Amino acid sequence: DAKTTQPPSMDCAEGRAANLPCNHSTISGNEYVYWYRQIHSQGPQYIIHGLKNNETNEMASLIITEDRKSSTLILPHATLRDTAVYYCIAVNYNQGGKLIFGQGTELSVKP
Amino acid sequence: DTAVSQTPKYLVTQMGNDKSIKCEQNLGHDTMYWYKQDSKKFLKIMFSYNNKELIINETVPNRFSPKSPDKAHLNLHINSLELGDSAVYFCASSQVGGYEAFFGQGTRLTVV
Repeated sequence: DAKTTQPPSMDCAEGRAANLPCNHSTISGNEYVYWYRQIHSQGPQYIIHGLKNNETNEMASLIITEDRKSSTLILPHATLRDTAVYYCIAVNYNQGGKLIFGQGTELSVKP
Repeated sequence: DTAVSQTPKYLVTQMGNDKSIKCEQNLGHDTMYWYKQDSKKFLKIMFSYNNKELIINETVPNRFSPKSPDKAHLNLHINSLELGDSAVYFCASSQVGGYEAFFGQGTRLTVV
């Protein structure tokens, strides 16, 4: 599985867009990019995933560069409840559902 | 209605004891997992079961034995508990081969 690299921490002002980067320069053509988050004292929560096209759902948008070496998770209007650790995971679909979590990015949304 | 529920939420026990953590999911998923999050917040898969069959066993000590009585339940039994077993254990479930997993709230195990 491709290794992902994320900044350890980021701050964002409440109401502003939070842009969380992820580097996955060794990702292979059949690996998807998944994003999860873990709010303090809770289990991880699935956010969004994509292969090469940009994706959007009710929680966030995912922008994947054309060369697929990096991606950005966008929370369009961050709230205090979005404070969490965000994990970017490269997934190969032959792993039986196994998710390999890295250290993630600790996002702090400030008033 | 909680999708993935674990009991207990907190567990404090002495070294050498045997304990179990229960997990149930009401999502109709065929695959269930156990993950361990250590004190450094590193989250790692331990086991996965697909319709009661063990699929993934990530070199976990034999003292850890998962049991799946049916596809909605995956329990984790731990024998001869050690200090290093202290962690938060998360149960999760997904569709077969799916990576959109639903996680429980976790069980914080403290071995003293």
